[in-house]
Parts: sequence; structure tokens; C-alpha cells
Amino acid sequence: TQLLEQSPQFLSIQEGENLTVYCNSSSVFSSLQWYRQEPGEGPVLLVTVVTGGEVKKLKRLTFQFGDARKDSSLHITAAQPGDTGLYLCAGARRMYSGGGADGLTFGKGTHLIIQP
Amino acid sequence: DAGITQSPRHKVTETGTPVTLRCHQTENHRYMYWYRQDPGHGLRLIHYSYGVKDTDKGEVSDGYSVSRSKTEDFLLTLESATSSQTSVYFCATGLGAVSTDTQYFGPGTRLTVL
Repeated sequence: TQLLEQSPQFLSIQEGENLTVYCNSSSVFSSLQWYRQEPGEGPVLLVTVVTGGEVKKLKRLTFQFGDARKDSSLHITAAQPGDTGLYLCAGARRMYSGGGADGLTFGKGTHLIIQP
Repeated sequence: DAGITQSPRHKVTETGTPVTLRCHQTENHRYMYWYRQDPGHGLRLIHYSYGVKDTDKGEVSDGYSVSRSKTEDFLLTLESATSSQTSVYFCATGLGAVSTDTQYFGPGTRLTVL
């Protein structure tokens, strides 16, 4: 069962444009994390949001956690070719691992291509 | 960079053979995880460990077993590999609470089962 739905799955835009990637669920998460993955490598954490309504900024990237802690968005301003990659959202339902199926639940990812 | 290595990085094997993948970390992280990544499915948790000899099942654990005899090593074993286990396998480690702590991922192992 896929608990986290990411949209769009694929996005190709021109350098300088803005974009938003969405991560939605019917489940409540204790936190949402966003990762970026390059081809042939493992995912690398960009940000963790914990509080409903929380907004975090990382240079041109803005992350928001929904008020009900069921959804999140990633907005990129003035996209650059270096932003190209696979963006993954991941939710944690428990505070600690242990005592049952756990770890992170990942969305399927958004393949982002920024054309020069 | 959390110093996570995976071996082998690539492996081709035949259906029915046993396969063991190794994850080694140098950061003394308590938590370790095995995920598989497949097109159309994203990353899915196979097994995880919350300490030496303490392991538990994840979302897609059927056909897999794990062992952790020391903090730095987490082994994933496919007792009898099947074609459906062709995938890219990622190991990850974490220092503490999964909810807020970073998970550090290794470079992955690409496994092909013929």
C-alpha cells in the first residue's frame, strides 16, 4: 500500500522557472523528510519538517508541512540545471524505530529535469 | 558523509542461489535499514535493526533475512533468489529517533537475478 502520493511523477522545465512538487497522504505522519537522489547514488536528506504548518527554506527551495501533518510541498524558485534529480518525500509514523514495521515510508518520487 | 559502504556494488546471480549483501558503517549509528528501490514502487523497507542482534521486519520482508552481529555490519540474505528480487538495494543508518533524525544512505547494490 502506497501511503505517500507524489505529484507530478515527471517534470521537465526551463532554467529560471518556478515549480512545486506535492506529497500527499491520508495518514498522519510525525515528520516528513525530503531527499534528493542522483543517478547511481543513494538518497541524501534535504530537510525534515516536524510541526504542522512548518515552513523551512534551503536557499531557493521552500518546504512546507501541512497543518494536519498529512501532506507536504517542495517549491523551487528560479530552477537551475543543478537542481535536476529525483526528489523523494518520506514520512515517519513512529517517533522511534523498534517494535514493529517501521523506518520511513517513501513516495515514488518526482523526476525533475531542468533544461538550460 | 556517514561512511556507509555496500558490497558488492553489482551482482548477477541465478534463480535459486543464496545471496548475501553487506552493509558496513563507520559512524557507530545504532539504527540500520535495508530498502529496495524499484521503478513504480519507490523505496520500500525490507528489514531494520535497532541494535546488535535486534532486528525487525519491514514492509516487504518475505524471502529476506538479516543479521547484525556487530554495530558496524548489517547483512541482508536472500536464501533462494527469485527474479522478483531483481532490484537496487540500499542500506541506511540512523543515529536515533527515525522521526526526526537523518537517515544516511549507502551507494546501493544492483542485484540481477536471472
